[in-house]
Amino acid sequence: GAVVSQHPSWVICKSGTSVKIECRSLDFQATTMFWYRQFPKQSLMLMATSNEGSKATYEQGVEKDKFLINHASLTLSTLTVTSAHPEDSSFYICSARDYRDWLSDTQYFGPGTRLTVL
Amino acid sequence: AQTVTQSQPEMSVQEAETVTLSCTYDTSESDYYLFWYKQPPSRQMILVIRQEAYKQQNATENRFSVNFQKAAKSFSLKISDSQLGDAAMYFCAYRGIYGNKLVFGAGTILRVKS
Repeated sequence: GAVVSQHPSWVICKSGTSVKIECRSLDFQATTMFWYRQFPKQSLMLMATSNEGSKATYEQGVEKDKFLINHASLTLSTLTVTSAHPEDSSFYICSARDYRDWLSDTQYFGPGTRLTVL
Repeated sequence: AQTVTQSQPEMSVQEAETVTLSCTYDTSESDYYLFWYKQPPSRQMILVIRQEAYKQQNATENRFSVNFQKAAKSFSLKISDSQLGDAAMYFCAYRGIYGNKLVFGAGTILRVKS
């Protein structure tokens, strides 16, 4: 089956620093990747849709300058949390669509990254 | 805008018994996809089952089956012969056939008692 990896799986950083999270599709090419944020015992909140070779589309209320998304290749998307603050602490999940399966849209999810900002 | 509602924040089931998780949705589209995802304590999202709205036949995957009522906009998940490994948060999700995004419900925590 299709596998999506995320790196790192967890990260602790100091307030004011930037953190980059990578999302990779390991055995398929993904023209579209999605970034979600999840608080404990809550649902996934879509932050942005990342399309290879173009600018990401952000959901309403998500700060573009705070959460930088780059989808430079068909297998890699990155989320950079800039000038992180404790309120950015959360669980970040990416997902990817196989470009060959564009109609049925099975999204394959990464294992998530736990970010803690001190 | 489409919405997905899961009205059961928590459910419990005895091992080997059957449990049904509820999901309703609201949409004006005629073609779409519905999904149930499982999120165990590891927090890895796992696709449990998928239903295409144009198919009248309810999807099944081993012990998991759905009751899809298009007119009522209802999409419940039945888990038969519940196992301890079924304990997880379950999310119902919607996606329009031409859309890009998944719309998730709030989730239902399923506890399995031994």
